[in-house]
Amino acid sequence: QSALTQPASVSGSPGQSITISCTGTSSDVGGYNYVSWYQQHPGKAPKVMIYDVSNRPSGVSNRFSGSKSGNTAALTISGLQPEDEADYYCTTYTSNFWVFGGGTKLTVL
Amino acid sequence: EVQLVQSGAEVKKPGESLRISCKGSGYSFSNYWIIWLRQMPGKGLEWMGRIDPSDSYINYSPSFRGHVTISADKSINTAYLQWTSLKASDTDIYYCARQGPGRYYMDVWGQGTAVTVSS
Repeated sequence: QSALTQPASVSGSPGQSITISCTGTSSDVGGYNYVSWYQQHPGKAPKVMIYDVSNRPSGVSNRFSGSKSGNTAALTISGLQPEDEADYYCTTYTSNFWVFGGGTKLTVL
Repeated sequence: EVQLVQSGAEVKKPGESLRISCKGSGYSFSNYWIIWLRQMPGKGLEWMGRIDPSDSYINYSPSFRGHVTISADKSINTAYLQWTSLKASDTDIYYCARQGPGRYYMDVWGQGTAVTVSS
């Protein structure tokens, strides 16, 4: 059982927006502004899409955005594109180590 | 180009020892933490621990402390993940990743090393 809770799957049509939630506790998500999100395509290494709750690394599309309220963080992808279909993982720092969510499979219909 | 290159896939028997590696290039290896993560095929990621190559200071996840050993040799820009006695449950893909000073995310990842433990 993962420390952070994510929906197992979400789906959307091209052009639509989707949001993936990541729920933890006041000891992890709620306690630090260090939530990051990773995209992983099959057979590939993960890639950071959002860090420190809402910051985008250079080169990541501005269609990806992050937010946090209380113990729940969220990743929003707007203007869905076929290449967004992948697994998405949230993670956060807590007490000198990191915990992950179980991952969410995004299907672009 | 900044990259982390991991050693190749391994097939081992239960009880055997193993060390896999992660070599950094294109940046100052000692200035970035190296993180080790585990992923069961088709499953989620788990943070195992990290090492500061400059002084070999290590943080382990409580879940992995005592089960694996993380080390680094900054003279050859390489970090290691080691087992002394493998179990079938260690069958997974293992990734290394880089974390910058004062940063709380992993910006560069290795390609992964598949470890299979089977009798």
